[in-house]
Amino acid sequence: EDQVTQSPEALRLQEGESSSLNCSYTVSGLRGLFWYRQDPGKGPEFLFTLYSAGEEKEKERLKATLTKKESFLHITAPKPEDSATYLCAVQVPTDSWGKLQFGAGTQVVVTP
Amino acid sequence: GAVVSQHPSRVICKSGTSVKIECRSLDFQATTMFWYRQFPKQSLMLMATSNEGSKATYEQGVEKDKFLINHASLTLSTLTVTSAHPEDSSFYICSVLPRARNTEAFFGQGTRLTVV
Repeated sequence: EDQVTQSPEALRLQEGESSSLNCSYTVSGLRGLFWYRQDPGKGPEFLFTLYSAGEEKEKERLKATLTKKESFLHITAPKPEDSATYLCAVQVPTDSWGKLQFGAGTQVVVTP
Repeated sequence: GAVVSQHPSRVICKSGTSVKIECRSLDFQATTMFWYRQFPKQSLMLMATSNEGSKATYEQGVEKDKFLINHASLTLSTLTVTSAHPEDSSFYICSVLPRARNTEAFFGQGTRLTVV
């Protein structure tokens, strides 16, 4: 059975304290791995798509990397506005494009 | 600006009534839209795939007669929760897949449904 597991469930950081979030997946033939940010009471906001092992993408203080079994979202020198739940999702070959299987998310709180 | 508009953002209804949620694609045509449901501190769970001009495809365990989906145009899909009960209270989110495939899906802002 295809699974997406995110860890940790929650992460509390001091402003400027870099850290990484993990997304491990057990899917056959990954078509794409997506990272989204979700603020309370809002829909997910797209961050990155990764397609193949070794791929990396960056946006401001965020950097996403992908291996054959997991993805990491690195947050460098976070600020309070980076506080959110970060969701990882995968696209599998048997599903129609855009149909995603989500992990439970990592709730990140960055304190000043 | 917003790519997907979902309305209403919050709704409270009485048990036994029906509620309609709209999902509009603002910037592009979308032959496919998706409806998700999210319980507190849980992941998004796909409910159904909405296909323009044809019947929706429901995920296993989702009652199609309870969650009616209509995708009447390339920019609008609606989800109607019929005869709502308190256990239907949840956060409902739509996502839109642009017609030009192989891009990310864009999400609406979500609808918080509370059934009392």
